[in-house]
Amino acid sequence: KQEVTQIPAALSVPEGENLVLNCSFTDSAIYNLQWFRQDPGKGLTSLLLIQSSQREQTSGRLNASLDKSSGRSTLYIAASQPGDSATYLCAVRAGGGSNYKLTFGKGTLLTVNP
Amino acid sequence: EAQVTQNPRYLITVTGKKLTVTCSQNMNHEYMSWYRQDPGLGLRQIYYSMNVEVTDKGDVPEGYKVSRKEKRNFPLILESPSPNQTSLYFCASSSTVYNEQFFGPGTRLTVL
Repeated sequence: KQEVTQIPAALSVPEGENLVLNCSFTDSAIYNLQWFRQDPGKGLTSLLLIQSSQREQTSGRLNASLDKSSGRSTLYIAASQPGDSATYLCAVRAGGGSNYKLTFGKGTLLTVNP
Repeated sequence: EAQVTQNPRYLITVTGKKLTVTCSQNMNHEYMSWYRQDPGLGLRQIYYSMNVEVTDKGDVPEGYKVSRKEKRNFPLILESPSPNQTSLYFCASSSTVYNEQFFGPGTRLTVL
């Protein structure tokens, strides 16, 4: 059974700092991995999708990496801003043998202080 | 605007009163799914649909039903809601199961 862990559960940083959020998964037989952000009481917004054959994806100040063999992904946020405050979730997609199941981590609550 | 919509956004109901939460997407996506989000448990998949008339159970299907008669719509049906179904529900879609998931705004359901 796939398990997805996100560490730390909460992180507080001053504005302008570069930071890394971590995601680990137990079964490396994944199809892809997706990072989301969730604002309080709101839906999930997709940030980056990395296919299993890729090593990283970038969008603006965000960079996500994937090391499938070690079961790890990181989300790097450059020059953090108060507007980045949210919960960040990673989710891994299994292959057809596992009914393409999408398994979520429990998230990292990020607070960026002005 | 490309989006996934859910209705209602908030619902308070009583045990046993059948309800339907609608989900619609305007992106011609094949894959749609329902999740519930609970504190400490995270997001868990209820049901998913690979395409019209193709649905399957996720991790927590008990007490729920779905149907996919049209590509754009994927309603979630609670035939006899119970208090343990009080939760935040999300619908999601993607062009195929392998692509980026787009989520609706959520439906907060309270069953008394």
